[in-house]
Parts: sequence; structure tokens; C-alpha cells
Amino acid sequence: GAGVSQSPSNKVTEKGKDVELRCDPISGHTALYWYRQSLGQGLEFLIYFQGNSAPDKSGLPSDRFSAERTGGSVSTLTIQRTQQEDSAVYLCASSLRGQLTQPQHFGDGTRLSIL
Amino acid sequence: SQKIEQNSEALNIQEGKTATLTCNYTNYSPAYLQWYRQDPGRGPVFLLLIRENEKEKRKERLKVTFDTTLKQSLFHITASQPADSATYLCAPSTGKLIFGQGTTLQVKP
Repeated sequence: GAGVSQSPSNKVTEKGKDVELRCDPISGHTALYWYRQSLGQGLEFLIYFQGNSAPDKSGLPSDRFSAERTGGSVSTLTIQRTQQEDSAVYLCASSLRGQLTQPQHFGDGTRLSIL
Repeated sequence: SQKIEQNSEALNIQEGKTATLTCNYTNYSPAYLQWYRQDPGRGPVFLLLIRENEKEKRKERLKVTFDTTLKQSLFHITASQPADSATYLCAPSTGKLIFGQGTTLQVKP
């Protein structure tokens, strides 16, 4: 079946521009996560959506970062006024429910490069 | 603060040998620990989950141990193959998954 889909796979933009990254989770998965992975680093948690509950935004690094999840399915991560330090791979994952015993299914990420 | 340590140096082993990867954590007590595999340019793929009351978990050639006293998990791949070459991430969890930076395994034919 279809896995987690992310688009675009690569994005190059100039410093100061806004970018939108999209995640299409596995159908029926109620939990959705965004992570950031810098070169040679682990996954840094950004934000977590679970059903209709208020999202856990505790990992967002600044107010330039925001995310929404419409209709409990597709999610968009927006970075405003991009900076060079925002360059990284942004990974999205979904799980059947938001329980820690559930495996997370990851997309292949969006590689973001800020010039 | 919560901290996870995985060996940042790549592990190089010969095909057929057992690979052992280490995951140490400090300043928290996770109830579960997950292991993932990540290939270059791809997202992580779930391998195994072990609970705090389980000492060991096996799946085919994979074995994971969880020692809550030592605050350590070991991940073993027996009869390793070149196709096992990848980066392996551990993720001890309490409240949310926290990922280590991963250890890269290179299995040479």
C-alpha cells in the first residue's frame, strides 16, 4: 500500500523566502509527526498532531516555523523568512495512533537548501 | 536534559560476523525503546520495539536487549550481510520518541 508521501523531495530557495513542505500520511493514521535531520545528526522533533487534539508544538525552533493539518490528513510545514541554518532534511512520519508502542512510518523527506 | 548516545564512529565488520550496536541514554527512564534503520536519502524504517519489562526481543537475525539498570540497549545482527549496511537509530521513548544520531554499519563481503 501507499506509504507516507512528502513533497517536494528537494527544495532550493534564497534566504528570506518562505517555504511550504507537504506531507501526505498513510490513510487511517491519526498521528503525524515532523522532524528535522541535519547532516550527521539525529532526528530533531518539531511538532506532533494527534487526531483533533491541539498539536504538540514544543519542538518548533522559532516562531518562523508553523504547521497545520487539515481534515486530519495532509499536513503542511511552513518556514517563513528562511535562514541558512534551516537547511536540513525535513521528515514526516505517521502512526496508526499516537501511542509509543506504535511504529512510526516515515516519508523520504524534503531536502531543503537555503542559499 | 535527556541524552542519547550512539557510537558516532562507523562500525566495519566482515560478512557473516555479528554486528553489535550500542545505545546509551541518561537522565530519563524510557518505557519503550525502538530501533530504526535508515538508508542514505531515505526515511527511517521501523525494525523492533522492546518494552522496559522485556530483557530481550528477537526478529529473524535481529536481537535487541534493554537493560534499565545500565540504561543501555544493544542491537545485534547475526550472520551479517552487505545488505545490512545502513545507519541504525535507537529511540528510547517516554512521552515522545527521542532519536539518537545513529551508528553507521558497513558490512564488507
